[in-house]
Amino acid sequence: QSVLTQPPSVSGAPGQRVTVSCTGSSSNIGAPYDVHWYQQLPGTAPKLLIYGNSNRPSGVPDRFSGSRSGTSASLAITGLQAEDEADYYCQSYDSSLSGYVFGTGTKVTVL
Amino acid sequence: QVQLVQSGPEVKKPGASVKVSCKASGYTFTTYGIGWVRQAPGQGLEWMGWISAYNGNTNYAQNFQGRVTMTTDTSTSTAYMELRSLRSDDTAIYYCARGLIMSSNWYVEDAFDIWGQGTMVTVSS
Repeated sequence: QSVLTQPPSVSGAPGQRVTVSCTGSSSNIGAPYDVHWYQQLPGTAPKLLIYGNSNRPSGVPDRFSGSRSGTSASLAITGLQAEDEADYYCQSYDSSLSGYVFGTGTKVTVL
Repeated sequence: QVQLVQSGPEVKKPGASVKVSCKASGYTFTTYGIGWVRQAPGQGLEWMGWISAYNGNTNYAQNFQGRVTMTTDTSTSTAYMELRSLRSDDTAIYYCARGLIMSSNWYVEDAFDIWGQGTMVTVSS
C-alpha cells in the first residue's frame, strides 16, 4: 500500500490538457520533500520526466510540467499526443519510512 | 552513452536466493549512487534500497531489511542486488537506476535519471 495516492486512470482527446495528481502527507510531499515524475511506456523501464517538482531533464518536451502545493503534487500534459499514452508515477521521500516512496501509478489514455 | 545493463532473467525456487547485476558505462561509476526498484506483474514501482558507489554505504527499504544485500565492484563498474529467502510474491522485474545527483552520500531528495532495462525474476516451485 503506497503512501502516495494517484488516480488509477486519466484520459483525454489529442490536443487536450490532462492532469495527474499525487496526494501524500506531512511526512513526504508536505514536509516538504521534492516530488519527481516518471513515464513508463508499455514493456519498458521508467523514464524520468520531471525532477525537483517542476524541472524537466534535457529532451523532455515542455508539454510536460509539474507543480507541488501543500501535501499534493500534479503533473500536467498539454497538447496531449498519442505517444503520451503510458503509466505515470510520482516519487518522493518519506521521513516516517526513512525511504523513497512511489505513487500508485496512473494510466493515461489518449482517446 | 550513459547506460546501465542488467543481467538476464532468472527462475528460482521458493527459499532460494537471486543476485542481479547492473553494469554501468559512459560515466564515472563512483560519483553517483545506484537505487534498486522492483515491479511485480501488472503492479506499481517499489523502492528496495540505495547504495553509494563511492563507499558502499547502503540504505534499505524497511520491507526488505534483513533479506536484501546491495554491493558494488568499482573495478568493473558493476552494482549487485541479492535477495534471499525468495517467495512467490517476489516475482517481479527488478530495475537498477542511477541517482540524478552527483554525490557519494545518500541525498533524500534524489531522483533516478538512468535506468537499466530490467531483470525478470520468477519464483516458482
